[in-house]
Amino acid sequence: NAGVTQTPKFQVLKTGQSMTLQCAQDMNHNSMYWYRQDPGMGLRLIYYSASEGTTDKGEVPNGYNVSRLNKREFSLRLESAAPSQTSVYFCASRETVRGGYTFGSGTRLTVV
Amino acid sequence: QQPVQSPQAVILREGEDAVINCSSSKALYSVHWYRQKHGEAPVFLMILLKGGEQKGHEKISASFNEKKQQSSLYLTASQLSYSGTYFCGTEEERNTGNQFYFGTGTSLTVIP
Repeated sequence: NAGVTQTPKFQVLKTGQSMTLQCAQDMNHNSMYWYRQDPGMGLRLIYYSASEGTTDKGEVPNGYNVSRLNKREFSLRLESAAPSQTSVYFCASRETVRGGYTFGSGTRLTVV
Repeated sequence: QQPVQSPQAVILREGEDAVINCSSSKALYSVHWYRQKHGEAPVFLMILLKGGEQKGHEKISASFNEKKQQSSLYLTASQLSYSGTYFCGTEEERNTGNQFYFGTGTSLTVIP
């Protein structure tokens, strides 16, 4: 099925460990996004990529890095995980500003 | 700036109607509505662009008053499948590039 694919679905990290969340979309969308979702706070933008070759910070970028590998793939890296990064992470893509976001199924990350 | 949603939570019996409101203090280019079921990703329902749109999607419709920077989502003759958390998202017009924010969500529970 066409859409946004995220891996892994679940992950437990120890404080200080690193990991990369992978995201790929097959809808030929230009823009891709990483959001985190915490209880009572809605979805907050971490980083986004308006087009291949560009990335920009969102509301909560500290502690994260991203790579737009090509038009399809956008990865999120935690270099040194902290308990405050325990959250559900969603990747999303969007064709244009006149369309909605399509979300991946999410990654539930726990940092202990 | 994060839009304000009201109410925070609502419980309905099957067949009843509900209205969810979304309000911003900024000039808006568009308003989005999403539904998220527990443990799943948000799903795009509709987008309303500036120009005072009203849109419908089966028994779920929405309006957008750009002068008041407000949008409302209308759910009529609710069904059990309508249960979930509804998020609005607002795209603010800025010279430096539009900014998008999600609201904190409205929990909707439909009971038999």
